[in-house]
Order: sequence, then C-alpha cells, then structure tokens
Amino acid sequence: KNEVEQSPQNLTAQEGEFITINCSYSVGISALHWLQQHPGGGIVSLFMLSSGKKKHGRLIATINIQEKHSSLHITASHPRDSAVYICAVSLIQGAQKLVFGQGTRLTINP
Amino acid sequence: KAGVTQTPRYLIKTRGQQVTLSCSPISGHRSVSWYQQTPGQGLQFLFEYFSETQRNKGNFPGRFSGRQFSNSRSEMNVSTLELGDSALYLCASSLQTANYGYTFGSGTRLTVV
Repeated sequence: KNEVEQSPQNLTAQEGEFITINCSYSVGISALHWLQQHPGGGIVSLFMLSSGKKKHGRLIATINIQEKHSSLHITASHPRDSAVYICAVSLIQGAQKLVFGQGTRLTINP
Repeated sequence: KAGVTQTPRYLIKTRGQQVTLSCSPISGHRSVSWYQQTPGQGLQFLFEYFSETQRNKGNFPGRFSGRQFSNSRSEMNVSTLELGDSALYLCASSLQTANYGYTFGSGTRLTVV
C-alpha cells in the first residue's frame, strides 16, 4: 500500500462545478503539499500545510492531522484548472524528502 | 526573480551511455532536490543536497548520483543508462527544507533508446 493515496484518480466535471480531491497518508509528516502539473511537465506548488486550512483565490486546501487526511477544493471550476493535481508529504524522519501520491487528473469541460 | 532552471530540456541517449543533468536553483536557495517521474511509478524522490552535502537519498541504484556546487547549482548523473531510465527528471529548490516550500524547474525529459 502506498504511503500517500489520492482519490479520485480521474475526475471530469463541467465548468462552474465545485471540485474536491482527497489525499490520505499513513505516515507521520512534517508538512503536506499540493502541487499542480500541466501537460508539458512543469509543476507548480499550490499549498504547503501543516495544520488547518489555506485559501488562494478559488483554491482551498484543508488538512486533518488526526485523521491523516487532506482535501483540495476548487470553487467555480474553469477549463484552465484542467491539470494533474498531486499530493506530497514531507516525512518527519528525513524531512526534506517528499513522498508523492499518484496524482488526480482533472478535466473541466466548458 | 529567475526561477529554477534545468538544462537541457530534452535529451536522447543510447543504452549504456551516461548523462549529466543540471539544475540552477533560485538565487538564495540552498536546498536542491531531484525527482524522477515515469508513467508507471509516478514521482519518486532521488536525492537532496544542501550546502554541497547530500542530505537525503531515495531508493535508486548507485548508477544515479549527484552533487552540488558552492553556488548551489546541482548536477545529477546517470551512468550505464537503461531503457527504464527514460523519464522526466525534475529538480526543486527551497531555502532550507521542504517546510519552506518548493519551487520546481520545468524538467529534463530523458529518452533512452
């Protein structure tokens, strides 16, 4: 079993819909990261969380340390949000090492 | 300010050859990490350097090595290339640790034929 699990693996929605991507992890972490990868490969760091909730524009990320679970929400989704969203954790031991989920491929149709 | 620069962007090599990839971090960033991304395995951590010292290493064979220079630029080397080494190689830089957040480069796409 992977240390970091994401769901769903693929998600297709209509423009304007509210999107939720989930991430569960089984190890102790020092931080959780949400990353966005567009076709072509470049990765953008969206959020880094160690507790609570963060918001940036239409994106919201939450983390529940006790339940070892994080969610990434996108409000009023737009076709330009289409990308692969990746959850990654920094481990407490070897804290500089990132362990990645398998990614969620999001497609927003106009 | 300039982002993380990886060179070259694309590379085609033959089995058995060796390859060196370069990563120039954001100015002031002292930590550089390397990752391999393949369709089958996804993103995997290779190693991390901080102040010219390897601080962490992933589960890759010894054919994969790296180093960091005094200006924080980093190189990774893969010797005796195998077909399975075909991947997107990404580096990321941060101030000190992952807890400061990472900035990724655009990657080097290596194809081994």
